[in-house]
Amino acid sequence: QKEVEQNSGPLSVPEGAIASLNCTYSDRVSQSFFWYRQYSGKSPELIMSIYSNGDKEDGRFTAQLNKASQYVSLLIRDSQPSDSATYLCAVFKSSASKIIFGSGTRLSIRP
Amino acid sequence: DGGITQSPKYLFRKEGQNVTLSCEQNLNHDAMYWYRQDPGQGLRLIYYSQIVNDFQKGDIAEGYSVSREKKESFPLTVTSAQKNPTAFYLCASSIVVGSYSNQPQHFGDGTRLSIL
Repeated sequence: QKEVEQNSGPLSVPEGAIASLNCTYSDRVSQSFFWYRQYSGKSPELIMSIYSNGDKEDGRFTAQLNKASQYVSLLIRDSQPSDSATYLCAVFKSSASKIIFGSGTRLSIRP
Repeated sequence: DGGITQSPKYLFRKEGQNVTLSCEQNLNHDAMYWYRQDPGQGLRLIYYSQIVNDFQKGDIAEGYSVSREKKESFPLTVTSAQKNPTAFYLCASSIVVGSYSNQPQHFGDGTRLSIL
């Protein structure tokens, strides 16, 4: 089992719809969770950080964390073509004191 | 503007050659990291450093070396021992809270390394 798992996609969503990206992690005591967006050929950029159970909203983005289920998700409302990118989930692994990145989910927003 | 500067943007390595990738940050972050990304893959940690003059191996340190003589700088050398160096190399930094680097990492623009 990978430490941070994401569906590689591609996930195709029509413009204006909600895109839902999921991530599971294996370290039960993880405390910090991050979502990054990476455009093709570019470096990752931080979209959201979430540290406690529940939802955290920032503009069109909502991160959801469920520590009991070891699950973190990212919702993108009113999806735009500019949202087409690879989304990386990252989890701080306390036992190793380092952040582990998932392999990413490729999202495609179709007009 | 504060940020992380990686240079060069593109680099070509000849057989048997060592090459050094530069990473400089002016964010006053304590921790710095080097990752390797292969096409269609996630990020793999090469080396990281939480404090000047100290660094630790990541998951794929073989064939690479680093130094941390200044807080702002964390250069990565890809040695001739790294037989498959072609990849996208990313440098990142973060603040450290207590003894944990559990804060988000911020990335430079990356260096693409290819073999001639």
